[in-house]
Amino acid sequence: KAGVTQTPRYLIKTRGQQVTLSCSPISGHRSVSWYQQTPGQGLQFLFEYFSETQRNKGNFPGRFSGRQFSNSRSEMNVSTLELGDSALYLCASRPAGLADTQYFGPGTRLTVL
Amino acid sequence: GQQLNQSPQSMFIQEGEDVSMNCTSSSIFNTWLWYKQEPGEGPVLLIALYKAGELTSNGRLTAQFGITRKDSFLNISASIPSDVGIYFCAGQGSGGSNYKLTFGKGTLLTVNP
Repeated sequence: KAGVTQTPRYLIKTRGQQVTLSCSPISGHRSVSWYQQTPGQGLQFLFEYFSETQRNKGNFPGRFSGRQFSNSRSEMNVSTLELGDSALYLCASRPAGLADTQYFGPGTRLTVL
Repeated sequence: GQQLNQSPQSMFIQEGEDVSMNCTSSSIFNTWLWYKQEPGEGPVLLIALYKAGELTSNGRLTAQFGITRKDSFLNISASIPSDVGIYFCAGQGSGGSNYKLTFGKGTLLTVNP
């Protein structure tokens, strides 16, 4: 089975721009979660989607949003980018009914200049 | 919110030595997970713990779910150079809709051949 894939792997943007990141979960997985990883704050939960519905949300401003499609693929969007948004954005998927076993993708490295 | 204290922050050891790292929480978790992350990759699940007091092994790795449900440790025996990476603990709260993971800040392990 193919693992979780994320595109693009690297992205450079400037302040004020917006960005969309994509995540394709493992086939058959219906839940997708997003995390932000920075050296200072570590791994922080952004949100989780299940069957196209946001089920959990972390403590991030409204500039961070996401969605999930009927094929379970997910996108997250960050609007009005700030320098502090530079981070590795990780997507994780898990099979329905197994709340604990999350499988991570390689991440998208976002740099905001 | 929930916080995990992971220690040590970093370790530099000789090949063949045993390693121990632990996590403590201010809150109770129902599940403890240990992940390893290598440069340019997302975290990879090593061990999952589901019951207080549970001791689980995966090859040279052994992890335990603390009796109080507020702590966990990971041991690596007879370390080898490929053990190098950042090890994260993660806790997951109660069931229902709370599937998000709370991560420790990580332990950077360096193994000297």
